[in-house]
Amino acid sequence: GAGVSQSPRYKVAKRGQDVALRCDPISGHVSLFWYQQALGQGPEFLTYFQNEAQLDKSGLPSDRFFAERPEGSVSTLKIQRTQQEDSAVYLCASSLRDWLTNEKLFFGSGTQLSVL
Amino acid sequence: AQSVTQPDIHITVSEGASLELRCNYSYGATPYLFWYVQSPGQGLQLLLKYFSGDTLVQGIKGFEAEFKRSQSSFNLRKPSVHWSDAAEYFCAVDYRILDMRFGAGTRLTVKP
Repeated sequence: GAGVSQSPRYKVAKRGQDVALRCDPISGHVSLFWYQQALGQGPEFLTYFQNEAQLDKSGLPSDRFFAERPEGSVSTLKIQRTQQEDSAVYLCASSLRDWLTNEKLFFGSGTQLSVL
Repeated sequence: AQSVTQPDIHITVSEGASLELRCNYSYGATPYLFWYVQSPGQGLQLLLKYFSGDTLVQGIKGFEAEFKRSQSSFNLRKPSVHWSDAAEYFCAVDYRILDMRFGAGTRLTVKP
């Protein structure tokens, strides 16, 4: 596609509900990142994929957060038993090659998650 | 601890006036430095980046930034602001592979 696409654009969940957020990176992009952006804050790193391999998940805040990219293209960020503190905008970004080459990151518009 | 600071939460400038957005970082070595812009409902867009070499870097949309090692700063500038520049601006530093840190952002309002 022309850019990084994220869906849904908005998600409202009841506390305790499981949610799944989707990211379609730019076709052919090797690297994929997930960031969490709380209100009034800059994005914070969650996890990184190189193709289908999850190379770093050190930013995931708890074991309720899980990300996958099984075929090296589309990625899903899953949050189990959502809590109010999970409310944020979740951003996905991709780059053409691996991060070692310091490639430019292309960001999606994000999914705004509100947990009630 | 490594950090990036944007001291100004909100800045208002008149259209046609000059702009400077401040960014400071704390780290022992020189990280890779970036400025991103985020318009409402849009993803982050890279304005410019500094890896090495010339400390004055040119970006898109007429923006430039200057890396000053002695001040640990990477301030963003534009000589004449346009109404379409109104957005949120984020400074980011990449201390090591996979460790990009973003500032809290500066919201720019442009007065007619």
